[in-house]
Amino acid sequence: AQSVTQPDIHITVSEGASLELRCNYSYGATPYLFWYVQSPGQGLQLLLKYFSGDTLVQGIKGFEAEFKRSQSSFNLRKPSVHWSDAAEYFCAVGARGFQKLVFGTGTRLLVSP
Amino acid sequence: DGGITQSPKYLFRKEGQNVTLSCEQNLNHDAMYWYRQDPGQGLRLIYYSQIVNDFQKGDIAEGYSVSREKKESFPLTVTSAQKNPTAFYLCASSSLQGSTDTQYFGPGTRLTVL
Repeated sequence: AQSVTQPDIHITVSEGASLELRCNYSYGATPYLFWYVQSPGQGLQLLLKYFSGDTLVQGIKGFEAEFKRSQSSFNLRKPSVHWSDAAEYFCAVGARGFQKLVFGTGTRLLVSP
Repeated sequence: DGGITQSPKYLFRKEGQNVTLSCEQNLNHDAMYWYRQDPGQGLRLIYYSQIVNDFQKGDIAEGYSVSREKKESFPLTVTSAQKNPTAFYLCASSSLQGSTDTQYFGPGTRLTVL
């Protein structure tokens, strides 16, 4: 069965420092991978997605993620974090066509001044 | 503006009552989904629908029901059979055209059982 693991429940980063959020997946077929962000009490906003091609994908708000098939990972990165990036981040995996997504449990990002 | 709307934003229910959460989209998407979100558990799929008048159970459908009479609308009813309904409910939709299907989410409804 497919699954997504986000091993870090909370991460605290200083403003201006770099960020990497980890995501590991288990999926039998070629995965489609997503990162979403959620502010408190809000819905999920798509940051970026990987379907095929270049394994380094760029998203909104200066985020990027790298797909590493050999490590079954899709880690999210940002070179310099802003206080407005404080939120919860979800990694998800699905298949081509009908998207029945499986979500990780999320990583809450705290940004310190 | 295109998007997904959910109403109400907050909903309070007494034990034993059924309540219905609204989800409407004007993105002309074929598929619609309902998720439940609990702290520390991520999102879990309740029901999904790929076309009008058809829907399938997700991973946690017990105590919930849905209908899909119109392409734009996918209401969720939380019945009295749902033992622990207090949660944040998210509706999503996606196009089934092409290879870049992506789910887009509404703002959510927070349901509290009193």
